[in-house]
Amino acid sequence: AQSVTQPDIHITVSEGASLELRCNYSYGATPYLFWYVQSPGQGLQLLLKYFSGDTLVQGIKGFEAEFKRSQSSFNLRKPSVHWSDAAEYFCAVGGRDFNKFYFGSGTKLNVKP
Amino acid sequence: NAGVMQNPRHLVRRRGQEARLRCSPMKGHSHVYWYRQLPEEGLKFMVYLQKENIIDESGMPKERFSAEFPKEGPSILRIQQVVRGDSAAYFCASSIGQDNSPLHFGNGTRLTVT
Repeated sequence: AQSVTQPDIHITVSEGASLELRCNYSYGATPYLFWYVQSPGQGLQLLLKYFSGDTLVQGIKGFEAEFKRSQSSFNLRKPSVHWSDAAEYFCAVGGRDFNKFYFGSGTKLNVKP
Repeated sequence: NAGVMQNPRHLVRRRGQEARLRCSPMKGHSHVYWYRQLPEEGLKFMVYLQKENIIDESGMPKERFSAEFPKEGPSILRIQQVVRGDSAAYFCASSIGQDNSPLHFGNGTRLTVT
C-alpha cells in the first residue's frame, strides 16, 4: 500500500542551526516525491520535487532533499534555519498515473531565537 | 498568473445544512484534486477530477459528499446535511496532469459546523 511516514510530529531548532526533516515512503512504482510547506491559515507551497536523475534536489528558500531508494527516504534539509521557516512541512509521494498523491501527517517546525 | 482560487475562505454551517466549496484551478490546469485536513492530521485525498469527469473518488465518504468539475466554471465540493465531524480545512489543488507537474494548492476553505 502507498503511504508516507513523517516520524517527527514536532521539531524545535535554534535559529541558525541545521535542520533535517525525515520522510519515508512506501510506493509500488517509481515514485515522484515532493516537499510542501504550510504556514498557518495558508495553503501548501511546493518547496521541491524529485522525479528522476540527480538524487539531491535543490528547492526554494535554501532547502534541499536527498532521495535514497535503498532506504525509501526523502529527507529535507537546510544548513541554517531562519525564524521565517517556522511552519508545517509535508512530504508527499505520487506516481505517473497522477490519480492521487499521498501525504504524510506533517512535521511542525518551531524556530527558537 | 493567478493561482488556485478557493472560496469562501471560511464557511460556517449548522448541522443539517448544505456546504458548497468552490475551486478555480490555475489557468491552463485541467486536473483538480480535493483534500481534507483535520486538526493535527495530514492531508487526506478525497477526489480527483478532470473536466466533466470524476477520475478517482476513492477518498470520498459514500454519503452526503459529492464533487463536480463542469465544462465551464469552478469545481464544486458539496456536502449535504453537514455534521460536526465535517469541520475541517478543505484544500483544492490543480495540475496540468503531465509528467513533472506537481500539485498547486489553494489557501483552503475552513468549514465549521455548529
